Amino acid sequence: DQQVKQNSPSLSVQEGRISILNCDYTNSMFDYFLWYKKYPAEGPTFLISISSIKDKNEDGRFTVFLNKSAKHLSLHIVPSQPGDSAVYFCAARTPGAGSYQLTFGKGTKLSVIP
Amino acid sequence: GAGVSQTPSNKVTEKGKYVELRCDPISGHTALYWYRQSLGQGPEFLIYFQGTGAADDSGLPNDRFFAVRPEGSVSTLKIQRTERGDSAVYLCASSLTGVGQETQYFGPGTRLLVL
Repeated sequence: DQQVKQNSPSLSVQEGRISILNCDYTNSMFDYFLWYKKYPAEGPTFLISISSIKDKNEDGRFTVFLNKSAKHLSLHIVPSQPGDSAVYFCAARTPGAGSYQLTFGKGTKLSVIP
Repeated sequence: GAGVSQTPSNKVTEKGKYVELRCDPISGHTALYWYRQSLGQGPEFLIYFQGTGAADDSGLPNDRFFAVRPEGSVSTLKIQRTERGDSAVYLCASSLTGVGQETQYFGPGTRLLVL
């Protein structure tokens, strides 16, 4: 049973437009959410995060929104650039003594078309 | 500064052999994690170290998998009697500990292929 779901395996967006990547989760105990970007043959690179006590976090072109009642978060990239083309993973942290493991979605492949 | 490094970058082995994968975390990071990523999937948690001790090994799939971090820095993931299903990218991540230090930074991974 997947606790973190990214239902869109791929997304294509025109350069300069907004990219919106979505993520749903089922475990209400998750306390922290992160987005990672991954290029082929490289490890995931941290992009942006949000605590469960907030509903928005912004960093330059990247904004993450969290809707706790809907158990949904989204990553907005605006304006999108060709270099943003990569696989984006949503991850959620499990709190608790002795464990800070991340649970990942399957990823969404973003293609930004020049 | 230097990020998380992992060696080897690629490893090809035969079914039944023993392999060791190494992770060198970011200097000063007390927390270290191992994940495994299969094709088309997101990374899946294997084990978490706080200092020298394995604080959570609930993700290890069976007793063929073992990991150590004897001096609280470099970690080695050990796989005995490898099986074809062990083929995956093994990722290591490290982080600081404490409130506001939640971000895990990943290495490039070791691509393991078991023939």
